[in-house]
Amino acid sequence: AQSVAQPEDQVNVAEGNPLTVKCTYSVSGNPYLFWYVQYPNRGLQFLLKYITGDNLVKGSYGFEAEFNKSQTSFHLKKPSALVSDSALYFCATNTNAGKSTFGDGTTLTVKP
Amino acid sequence: EAGVTQFPSHSVIEKGQTVTLRCDPISGHDNLYWYRRVMGKEIKFLLHFVKESKQDESGMPNNRFLAERTGGTYSTLKVQPAELEDSGVYFCASSTGTRNSPLHFGNGTRLTVT
Repeated sequence: AQSVAQPEDQVNVAEGNPLTVKCTYSVSGNPYLFWYVQYPNRGLQFLLKYITGDNLVKGSYGFEAEFNKSQTSFHLKKPSALVSDSALYFCATNTNAGKSTFGDGTTLTVKP
Repeated sequence: EAGVTQFPSHSVIEKGQTVTLRCDPISGHDNLYWYRRVMGKEIKFLLHFVKESKQDESGMPNNRFLAERTGGTYSTLKVQPAELEDSGVYFCASSTGTRNSPLHFGNGTRLTVT
């Protein structure tokens, strides 16, 4: 069975500082990895994905994620955090049928 | 394009009552998924439709839950009778169904069973 783990329930950063939200995965074969963001009272929105190719993938709103096969990680990053980035972030992996398995989520709080 | 829409956005019912949630996927998306998030925990898979057929219903918790997708368009998820532990946020998502396709989510239905 495949799974993803988000080891941090909460991440707090100051506006303008870099941010990292961590995700590790356990997948047999090639992993298909995704990051989603959820704002209050909204559904999850797709941010970015890793399928193959460059280990650094760029996505929406200035976010990027680094795929690291040896560490089985797919951490979400942003060079300079904004207060508006405060939200709930989910890492996920897909099966062949397109079914997604999600982590528990990480609440990101960016303070002015 | 119109996104995934879910109705109602909130529902408060008493234990033993019935509730029906509705999801309208993105037009042309054959794949429709139901997920649930309970008590701030992980988002758990409930089931997966391909058009009108149930592809995978391994996540359905018990026979009090019934999902349908008549005609392969919108889907309903009925809980009958509702129990306290059914409270949570129910998400519907749709996609083209390939492994590299992201899911497109509705805003969810927050169900509270009292």
